[in-house]
Amino acid sequence: EPEVTQTPSHQVTQMGQEVILRCVPISNHLYFYWYRQILGQKVEFLVSFYNNEISEKSEIFDDQFSVERPDGSNFTLKIRSTKLEDSAMYFCASSEAGEPFFGQGTRLTVV
Amino acid sequence: GESVGLHLPTLSVQEGDNSIINCAYSNSASDYFIWYKQESGKGPQFIIDIRSNMDKRQGQRVTVLLNKTVKHLSLQIAATQPGDSAVYFCAETYGNNRLAFGKGNQVVVIP
Repeated sequence: EPEVTQTPSHQVTQMGQEVILRCVPISNHLYFYWYRQILGQKVEFLVSFYNNEISEKSEIFDDQFSVERPDGSNFTLKIRSTKLEDSAMYFCASSEAGEPFFGQGTRLTVV
Repeated sequence: GESVGLHLPTLSVQEGDNSIINCAYSNSASDYFIWYKQESGKGPQFIIDIRSNMDKRQGQRVTVLLNKTVKHLSLQIAATQPGDSAVYFCAETYGNNRLAFGKGNQVVVIP
């Protein structure tokens, strides 16, 4: 069964450093997303991406965040200068037209 | 503001019994609803969805009920099994692909 894959599964970074979280969406999907989940809290929408551009972003997705689809298979989330409060699980998701399917997540720990 | 929320934080259920998880939403414009299951350390896993033009949808051992009059969504799990132990999230969207998640409801299945 096709699935969304994310790497790495766990990333530890120092405050102020840049991180890139990587995702390979399901191959025939057209819509891509990033969500995050701070420990013990609900899943929050960050950004959606369609047709090689951002279609919507939340108030969380400020200038420190960017997304890119560098080739036909990868979808990345970059955080330019990480803050302690960026520590969370980051989930990539993709969809064809209906329900998004989520990856297993990357646990980002900012120290 | 608009919100999606769950009534009960934890539901303990005997193996073999039926489970009912409830969710209230406040955005009357929401037109698509999804239930996700999240096991520890994993990403949200799609269970079942329903569109606003329906009031009931059944899957394998699961049923989702939508009451638009009172803005209420429920997930029924028949013959609950130990593998059903997880956190269950309802999510809504309206006219776009951005999901708004509820806070989650922990289901604990007692063998």
